[in-house]
Amino acid sequence: QQPVQSPQAVILREGEDAVINCSSSKALYSVHWYRQKHGEAPVFLMILLKGGEQKGHEKISASFNEKKQQSSLYLTASQLSYSGTYFCGTGPDSNYQLIWGAGTKLIIKP
Amino acid sequence: GAGVSQSPSNKVTEKGKDVELRCDPISGHTALYWYRQSLGQGLEFLIYFQGNSAPDKSGLPSDRFSAERTGGSVSTLTIQRTQQEDSAVYLCASSLDSGGYDTQYFGPGTRLTVL
Repeated sequence: QQPVQSPQAVILREGEDAVINCSSSKALYSVHWYRQKHGEAPVFLMILLKGGEQKGHEKISASFNEKKQQSSLYLTASQLSYSGTYFCGTGPDSNYQLIWGAGTKLIIKP
Repeated sequence: GAGVSQSPSNKVTEKGKDVELRCDPISGHTALYWYRQSLGQGLEFLIYFQGNSAPDKSGLPSDRFSAERTGGSVSTLTIQRTQQEDSAVYLCASSLDSGGYDTQYFGPGTRLTVL
C-alpha cells in the first residue's frame, strides 16, 4: 500500500524550515527520499535503514521511527534550489520493490 | 562516470502504433527498473530486472507492455498498439544491487505522447 506523504504541498520563504512526512501502514525496513525538479529525473537525497543507518547528503537530515512506521525529512534554512517535489519510497516489499508516495510539492519564494 | 541514459527523450506517436523506449543503465549495476509517471503524479512501478533472474513484471498495466534486458545491460520497454492513456514520462533507474536497500539512479526519462 502506498505510503502517505504530508503535506501535499507547502510554500515557504527562503530561509524558512520545512518538514515533510512519510507514513506507512506496513513495517518499514528502509525509507528513500528523492527530490524531483520540474521536467527532470528524481535525484537521490537519503536512505534510512531499519537499525539506524543513514546514507545521504550532509545538508539533509531525516528521522526514521520504526515503531510509528514513519519518516520525516527536515529542510532547514531553505534555499531556492530546494524547490521541487519530494518523494519517499518505502520498502522493500516482498518483491524487493519500493512503494512510492504521491509526493510533496515544495515551493521556495525569495 | 556516466549516469543512466534514455532514448529518445521525446516520442510522439499515433494511437495504435508500437513504440520502443531504451534505457542504458550505469555500468555494473545489476538492478534495473522501469517506472511510469503521469503529469503531476508519483512513480508507478512497471518492471524490475535483477541480474539473470526472471524479471518482476507485476507492475505492467496490460499485455501491450513488455520489456527485455539484453546481456544484463541495456533494456528496452515496448508498448504495442499505443493508447492515449499511455501518454506519460517513462523513467528508467538502475542500482548496484536490489533497489530496496540501495540507491536508485534515474535517467532523464522519455516523454511519450500518444495522439
